[in-house]
Amino acid sequence: DTGVSQDPRHKITKRGQNVTFRCDPISEHNRLYWYRQTLGQGPEFLTYFQNEAQLEKSRLLSDRFSAERPKGSFSTLEIQRTEQGDSAMYLCASSRWRGGPEETQYFGPGTRLLVL
Amino acid sequence: QQQVKQSPQSLIVQKGGISIINCAYENTAFDYFPWYQQFPGKGPALLIAIRPDVSEKKEGRFTISFNKSAKQFSLHIMDSQPGDSATYFCAASRTDSWGKLQFGAGTQVVVTP
Repeated sequence: DTGVSQDPRHKITKRGQNVTFRCDPISEHNRLYWYRQTLGQGPEFLTYFQNEAQLEKSRLLSDRFSAERPKGSFSTLEIQRTEQGDSAMYLCASSRWRGGPEETQYFGPGTRLLVL
Repeated sequence: QQQVKQSPQSLIVQKGGISIINCAYENTAFDYFPWYQQFPGKGPALLIAIRPDVSEKKEGRFTISFNKSAKQFSLHIMDSQPGDSATYFCAASRTDSWGKLQFGAGTQVVVTP
């Protein structure tokens, strides 16, 4: 399977704990996105990488959130001092952007986070 | 605030019927409008997409209609099948904002046998 993979698929944690999620994009995809999806809503953009450079962060991404993409390969999203409002599905997507507006983002299955 | 408004929230259609989902946007800088399909427990998957210089695009049983002047676009699912039961999201992006997708709230489609 050469799709986008995410680990773990599910995470239950207590309020105040730190959590880290991993995303492995499709090989040779130069763009990587993180989105957050709550029940009954569409995904909301969190942050974006072009190769290893983090080029945009949403206002939704407080200073408790940090993302990295070392060497332009896999990416990690860390949430420090989790709050109950962080409970959501965290989706990763990757794409091979060749210029222009048309871009197919391939999504992973997501990591469902529950903060107790 | 949501930049792409989607309706209805849910719909039920009989097998063989037509499902229609509508979306509206305000930002005229959007230049790419994809539709994504999501099954429970899975990530969204691209279904079909359109550029604003085209008024209609058809792929199999799925058609996008685009009205640039009204800033609206819609997805038509013809001959709906039980396997089409899923949540559908419209989205929009701007070239000058990387590929960041702005999603609608989603429409849950149920196709009854």
